[in-house]
Amino acid sequence: DAGVIQSPRHEVTEMGQEVTLRCKPISGHNSLFWYRQTMMRGLELLIYFNNNVPIDDSGMPEDRFSAKMPNASFSTLKIQPSEPRDSAVYFCASSKRERYNEQFFGPGTRLTVL
Amino acid sequence: AQTVTQSQPEMSVQEAETVTLSCTYDTSESNYYLFWYKQPPSRQMILVIRQEAYKQQNATENRFSVNFQKAAKSFSLKISDSQLGDTAMYFCAFIGAGNMLTFGGGTRLMVKP
Repeated sequence: DAGVIQSPRHEVTEMGQEVTLRCKPISGHNSLFWYRQTMMRGLELLIYFNNNVPIDDSGMPEDRFSAKMPNASFSTLKIQPSEPRDSAVYFCASSKRERYNEQFFGPGTRLTVL
Repeated sequence: AQTVTQSQPEMSVQEAETVTLSCTYDTSESNYYLFWYKQPPSRQMILVIRQEAYKQQNATENRFSVNFQKAAKSFSLKISDSQLGDTAMYFCAFIGAGNMLTFGGGTRLMVKP
């Protein structure tokens, strides 16, 4: 059974460029989470979806960040325009919608903005 | 809002020995789950162990066990018979009614041969 799939695994881009990170949750999971990991701030939740609907986006740092989940098997996190301070590892995780359920993490995307 | 605190940024242990990682948390909720995640150099987040707050019995998973003290809001992880493959960052995490994980700052564990 495939786990959470993220692409790309590594992304290097220049300041000002648009970046799109992709996530495929585990089949049957209906909650999806985007996290960011940095040395300074650790692991922080950016946004999460239940049944494709954004529930809490209070962690999204600013308007340059946007996330979508057009269907149950796909989500994107877009940064436009990107800045060097966006350099981080971005994780996608999924779980079943029932409360307190275990979240399964993808391998992460390491983003470097030059 | 929930907070999770790991007071040990780094720890080391000799192979085959036992080590305990500390975690404290703060919440006003009565029903919640606590987790320990392991992040090896591959950066994959791997669930090590989970504890349900309403269960008094401490969770165990093979060489990993927790000491859950609900009144003290403490949730420590004990690793017995440490192995080189246990070298990793370990994150304590909380999930409550909001269904969102809150992580501690992590403890870097080095297992020495």
